[in-house]
Amino acid sequence: GQQVMQIPQYQHVQEGEDFTTYCNSSTTLSNIQWYKQRPGGHPVFLIQLVKSGEVKKQKRLTFQFGEAKKNSSLHITATQTTDVGTYFCAGFSYNNNDMRFGAGTRLTVKP
Amino acid sequence: KAGVTQTPRYLIKTRGQQVTLSCSPISGHRSVSWYQQTPGQGLQFLFEYFSETQRNKGNFPGRFSGRQFSNSRSEMNVSTLELGDSALYLCASTPGREQETQYFGPGTRLLVL
Repeated sequence: GQQVMQIPQYQHVQEGEDFTTYCNSSTTLSNIQWYKQRPGGHPVFLIQLVKSGEVKKQKRLTFQFGEAKKNSSLHITATQTTDVGTYFCAGFSYNNNDMRFGAGTRLTVKP
Repeated sequence: KAGVTQTPRYLIKTRGQQVTLSCSPISGHRSVSWYQQTPGQGLQFLFEYFSETQRNKGNFPGRFSGRQFSNSRSEMNVSTLELGDSALYLCASTPGREQETQYFGPGTRLLVL
């Protein structure tokens, strides 16, 4: 079963509002990656975080990796309709020696 | 470079049949991973192949198997199909070192009736 939990499962926002999705792992991760999947599409890589406490920004997107390397978040400021899609976190766990994906957060944006 | 390609894109099978899906990675990539995506379970890791050897395996029954060829192309086989096997099957390739960015193909949508 899933060892990487992601919340919320769904998020509906008005255009211009902020959005955050959270990812939590039961084990320490060596890295965390974030992917975006547009409706009908396939996951596309956004970013990778490796260091404890790391924060990275991509325009309106801010990614954080927790100090214990067990949680991460993606925050979008002032959402736009182009942000619609499902956002997945994926963590590499040495315990399992594989990449485990969260269930994803599906974001819809009302214009 | 061409992206990851998967064939076929859509497939309809009946219970008890078997199916083979194909994945061609990005040129130069030696690792191919397979995932099952369903609305309720998200992306579930099936297995990873590197240099024709299975390097990692998820928690799926033995009905799910795969292989990789010397040109890095990979196939996934599901035998004795069940209704619950209906899903989008995605493959992803990386150059080969672990923990790298995964480049996904468009997926094969399998419907089991």
